[in-house]
Amino acid sequence: GAVVSQHPSWVICKSGTSVKIECRSLDFQATTMFWYRQFPKQSLMLMATSNEGSKATYEQGVEKDKFLINHASLTLSTLTVTSAHPEDSSFYICSARGGSGSTTGELFFGEGSRLTVL
Amino acid sequence: GENVEQHPSTLSVQEGDSAVIKCTYSDSASNYFPWYKQELGKGPQLIIDIRSNVGEKKDQRIAVTLNKTAKHFSLHITETQPEDSAVYFCAPRTLFGNEKLTFGTGTRLTIIP
Repeated sequence: GAVVSQHPSWVICKSGTSVKIECRSLDFQATTMFWYRQFPKQSLMLMATSNEGSKATYEQGVEKDKFLINHASLTLSTLTVTSAHPEDSSFYICSARGGSGSTTGELFFGEGSRLTVL
Repeated sequence: GENVEQHPSTLSVQEGDSAVIKCTYSDSASNYFPWYKQELGKGPQLIIDIRSNVGEKKDQRIAVTLNKTAKHFSLHITETQPEDSAVYFCAPRTLFGNEKLTFGTGTRLTIIP
């Protein structure tokens, strides 16, 4: 089946620094990728929709200058948490929709990236 | 937007018994009904899904039933095993339509050995 890879799986950074998380579709092209945030013992909340070659669409309440999303190729989307603060500590998960040729529109999820800001 | 509720929020089942989790949704346009399993520290993994033209689907010990009229669908796990312990999420949506997944609140399933 299709595989979505996230890197890094966990990262610890100091407050005020920026952190980049990568999301790759390994065996298919993904025109659309999604970024989610999950707090402990809570459900996944959609942050933004990333479209290849265009600007991301952010959900209400998500600061686009804080969470920079780049989707420069059909297999890679990146999320950069800028000037991270402890409240940004969370589990970030990406997903990608099966690309052209997919008959199900199935969404495949990455393994997640745990960010801890000290 | 879609309102999605899951019940129960936590469920403890003796190993070998069955577990049922129910998902209720509000958007009548939804036509795709997946269940995801999330293990600790990992991303969600699709375990079973069903489309609106089917009432039930089974895959070994896992099954999903759909009642589109009542707008709910359920996950059934039979002969539960310790490795079934995880958090389960439903995420009904419209295939190839609005891609915004609205996840249910999740159900923490614990299998008691």
